[in-house]
Amino acid sequence: EAGVAQSPRYKIIEKRQSVAFWCNPISGHATLYWYQQILGQGPKLLIQFQNNGVVDDSQLPKDRFSAERLKGVDSTLKIQPAKLEDSAVYLCASSLDPGSNQPQHFGDGTRLSIL
Amino acid sequence: AQSVTQLGSHVSVSEGALVLLRCNYSSSVPPYLFWYVQYPNQGLQLLLKYTTGATLVKGINGFEAEFKKSETSFHLTKPSAHMSDAAEYFCAVKMDSSYKLIFGSGTRLLVRP
Repeated sequence: EAGVAQSPRYKIIEKRQSVAFWCNPISGHATLYWYQQILGQGPKLLIQFQNNGVVDDSQLPKDRFSAERLKGVDSTLKIQPAKLEDSAVYLCASSLDPGSNQPQHFGDGTRLSIL
Repeated sequence: AQSVTQLGSHVSVSEGALVLLRCNYSSSVPPYLFWYVQYPNQGLQLLLKYTTGATLVKGINGFEAEFKKSETSFHLTKPSAHMSDAAEYFCAVKMDSSYKLIFGSGTRLLVRP
């Protein structure tokens, strides 16, 4: 089966600019996750969708970050305006459902550098 | 709140030697436990998981981990390291109540020829 697809792979922008990332989950996976992975740290959940509804966005900096999953398939994550501390890898993951024994499948991520 | 601690940000072993990566968790109830591997410039790949049942779990690439409730540990082992095992390894815990996956800070495994 095709894995989780993310684009772009790399993005360099200046602070205060905006940027958007795209994710296409594995076909049939109802649950989609966006993680932020800062260099030297483990991934941190930003937002979790169940179909096209938000389940958990408690760690999403809502003043600058936004995400949507229209039609319950693809998702976009946007940052506007970007800050230096947003430099990180943004990982998208999907799972069949949020159940405790369901593994999450990860894309290769988008590496964001803020100048 | 649950958390995950991985002892040692870097572990170096010789090729053919035993690999032991340590993971301890804090939780008031038995959690679900996962080990993921991340190769450079790639996403995370599931190595193995513990949900219920047998406490010794076998995964891909010859790795295994043992859930020890009394020690709140889920250490990852492999009898003989290969050069291809060099990567970053993440332990993660998930609770039934939240379904949120909490990751440790990772351990980078270096394999010396």
